[in-house]
Amino acid sequence: EVQLLESGGGSVQPGGSLRLSCAASGFSFSSYVMTWVRQAPGKGLEWVSGISGSGTITYYADSVKGRFTISRDNSKNTLYLQMNSLGAEDTAIYYCAKGEGGSYAYWDYWGPGTLVSASS
Amino acid sequence: QSVLTQPPSASETPGQRVTISCSGSSSNIRNNYVYWYQQLPGTAPKLLIYRTNERPSGVPDRFSGSKSGTSASLAISGLRSEDEGDYYCAAWDDRQSAVLLGGGTRLTVL
Repeated sequence: EVQLLESGGGSVQPGGSLRLSCAASGFSFSSYVMTWVRQAPGKGLEWVSGISGSGTITYYADSVKGRFTISRDNSKNTLYLQMNSLGAEDTAIYYCAKGEGGSYAYWDYWGPGTLVSASS
Repeated sequence: QSVLTQPPSASETPGQRVTISCSGSSSNIRNNYVYWYQQLPGTAPKLLIYRTNERPSGVPDRFSGSKSGTSASLAISGLRSEDEGDYYCAAWDDRQSAVLLGGGTRLTVL
């Protein structure tokens, strides 16, 4: 059974940093694209970043480019999102999602999400 | 980064059919597959339609997807109260090298 579990969320002051983790199980982790999608309170979904199975190819939304870094440790079946220079606009639930078919927009399994709050 | 355009809301009575549109451009919807996600209140999103018109196992055949040119549609027939929630379209954009998501459509079953 595929399982994804995010962790690392919490409250941080504007300008601060956080690192999110997503522990994966139930599938061959290194073979799949992984993605971070976020949802601000009361708002729609926003794609944040995607990474290839090997970790060599990464993509970012313009809103986080230069501030966030996606990475993965295939030996630990874990996906990461390093978030720097956080602002109020980054307050959201962050979901990790497993990709399928090599596509960066095809997400067949999602974690329950972790809440990040950037506020003074 | 531009987004795909969806109507903010849709509503219909139980048993009826509703269609949700998703408008994009040649660099995303026309040239790539479209995906649809369902988010029921208080839950994580769930894959509803993949590769424009395919349903994952477990998704009822009341849900169907299609595409024409730069627009895609999600149709839900035989509406049920448990279909109430938010629906999102997504597609890869070749020009921006990014995933575009629609703003979401809130479906109300009257």
